[in-house]
Order: sequence, then C-alpha cells, then structure tokens
Amino acid sequence: EVVLTQSPGTLSLSPGERATLSCRASQSVSSTYLAWYQQKPGQSPRLLIYAASSRATGIPDRFSGGGSGTDFTLTISRLEPEDFAVYYCQQYGNSLWTFGQGTKVEIK
Amino acid sequence: EVQLLDSGGGLVQPGGSLRLSCAASGFTFNTYGMSWVRQAPGKGLQWVSAISSGGNNKYYAESVKGRFIISRDNAQNTASLQMNSLRAEDTAIYYCASLQSGRFDSWGQGTLVTVSS
Repeated sequence: EVVLTQSPGTLSLSPGERATLSCRASQSVSSTYLAWYQQKPGQSPRLLIYAASSRATGIPDRFSGGGSGTDFTLTISRLEPEDFAVYYCQQYGNSLWTFGQGTKVEIK
Repeated sequence: EVQLLDSGGGLVQPGGSLRLSCAASGFTFNTYGMSWVRQAPGKGLQWVSAISSGGNNKYYAESVKGRFIISRDNAQNTASLQMNSLRAEDTAIYYCASLQSGRFDSWGQGTLVTVSS
C-alpha cells in the first residue's frame, strides 16, 4: 500500500500570501492518479486538482498542482478568505486508493 | 447538476448491520465507478470500497474486507454499502463518491454511522 505523507500538518498564513503544500509518497505514484481535495468544516470534500496538475471544473487558477514520482505539491498563489480549509492528497494504484493525513491551512 | 444523496446511517450496536444507500442524478451513472469514503470524527479521509461502472469489479480496504459488501443498481442509479459485523472503529461519516480515472469527482453530503452499545 502506498502511504502518502503531507507536510506541514498546519500552515498558518495571512490572506494574500502564497501557500505551498507537500505530499510525499512511500513509492512512485503515476501522475495520472494523483489528486488534491479541499474540505471545509462541516462540508464534504471537493476535488481541486486531478492528474497532478489539472484543475477540476470551476476551480480558480490560483490553485495549481505539480510534481511527479514521489513528490507532489499544491500551491495556492494568493490565499483568499474562503481558501482556509483542510487539504488532502490522494492516489490510486493496484486497485487501492489512499489519502494523505491532510494539511490544515489556517488564518495567521 | 451532479447530485449524490447518501442515506441509511444511524446508531447501531457492535456486531450489528447497516445498509447505506447513495442516489445519483445529473450524470450518466452507468459510465462511472462508485466508491465509499469515510471520515472518523475529527480525523482524515479513508477509502472504504469501490465498484466498477458495470458492477463486475469490487474492491475493499483491508479493514472492511469480509464485512462490507458494495453493490449498485444501474437501472435505479443507486449504489449501496452493506455493512455487517460493525465495530466501534467503523464509527464515521460515510460519503459516496463518483469515481473516474482513480479520482473522486463528486461527493455526497455524507451519512453518520455510530457504532456503540
């Protein structure tokens, strides 16, 4: 099973700042099967990025994804008030799906 | 508009059973895989089970294998999760989600399952 480790656990930033979230895999992951989700308190998760770097429908272009192999990143270029939330990376391989433990982006 | 409506959660005693349902609309249901993902209180997301678009292939997390059964009815646009031999550690919000190319495209609102005596 591929283990995804996200860092940092919590990111304290101010609106307008840049956020860089990391997702490291215990073994190589196909970029095709690496996704990112946003979850706000009391809400269901929402797909942000799929195939490592493609934005899902309706996702603003301040969100971008990158990386390959075992190291992937989610970048929020300028934080808006609605972006403070928990973010999860997720991978698929060998008929198994796994999530990272999440990174909380909080207001500083 | 894509909609996934989860239902069937509730309070159940350890060892008991529960059946969750997911009603889908707004997309061509029989062309998407479907999955269940859960979230224990205050914790992260955990994949539980998935089923292929035609229903022939089913997949389970090790923690639920042999206890949970996933199914779907493409005529009714519904997916289900039969949960047996429930344990306290199965307590969570259960989300159904549509599945495409290994990602969870759309999510239901979730249904809470509490396993407690």
